Amino acid sequence: GAVVSQHPSRVICKSGTSVKIECRSLDFQATTMFWYRQFPKQSLMLMATSNEGSKATYEQGVEKDKFLINHASLTLSTLTVTSAHPEDSSFYICSARDSRRNSGANVLTFGAGSRLTVL
Amino acid sequence: RKEVEQDPGPFNVPEGATVAFNCTYSNSASQSFFWYRQDCRKEPKLLMSVYSSGNEDGRFTAQLNRASQYISLLIRDSKLSDSATYLCVVNLSGGYNKLIFGAGTRLAVHP
Repeated sequence: GAVVSQHPSRVICKSGTSVKIECRSLDFQATTMFWYRQFPKQSLMLMATSNEGSKATYEQGVEKDKFLINHASLTLSTLTVTSAHPEDSSFYICSARDSRRNSGANVLTFGAGSRLTVL
Repeated sequence: RKEVEQDPGPFNVPEGATVAFNCTYSNSASQSFFWYRQDCRKEPKLLMSVYSSGNEDGRFTAQLNRASQYISLLIRDSKLSDSATYLCVVNLSGGYNKLIFGAGTRLAVHP
C-alpha cells in the first residue's frame, strides 16, 4: 500500500533556530499533502494544505511566515518551523493523498509524525 | 463550538466488554465520516468509514445519523489490543480531503 515517510521522527532544538520536516510519498505521487499539528491530549489540527507547484493554503490562525511549506515535487513536501520557540513544541504529522485515486479519507496516508521539542 | 466533539473518556473496560463511543459534528454539509485509531505518540490510522446505512467490520460497528449529526462506534468483545484513542473524523464538503478530527476518546481495556 501507499507509504509516507516523514523525517525526522524526533527533533530537539534551541529556541530561535529553524527546523525542517520532510514528508515523502514513497510509491505514489501526491499533488496534495496536508500538515497537521497535535498538542498533548488534543485533536490533530490542520495547519495547511500543501499543493505541488503552487503556494500552500494555510488555515486560519496559522502564520505562513512562521511555518514555511514547500512542495517542489510530486513526492516531497517540507515544513520549516522558523525561529522556533517552546510553544511550537508539538507533534507534527503530514498526510498525502494519492492523486491517482478518487477523493476519500481511505486514500490519505499519514506519516509517522515528527515530535518537535524546543528548549 | 468545536466542529467535531467527542467524550474524551477515558473508558476503562474489562476484556470482553462492549463499549460505545459517540461523536457529534457541527457542519451539516459534511460529506463523509470516519473513525481513526491513534496509539500513544503514533500517527492516526483509519479504522473504518461510516455510512448512513451503518456498517460493520468484525467486532466494530459504526453508525451515522445525519439528521442528528451524530456518529457512533461500537466495539464488541473488547481486546487488550483495542486500547487506544479513537478519533471521530469528518470530511468537510469542498471537493478535497480536508479532514477535521475530534480530540479523541481514550479506551483502556484491562484484563
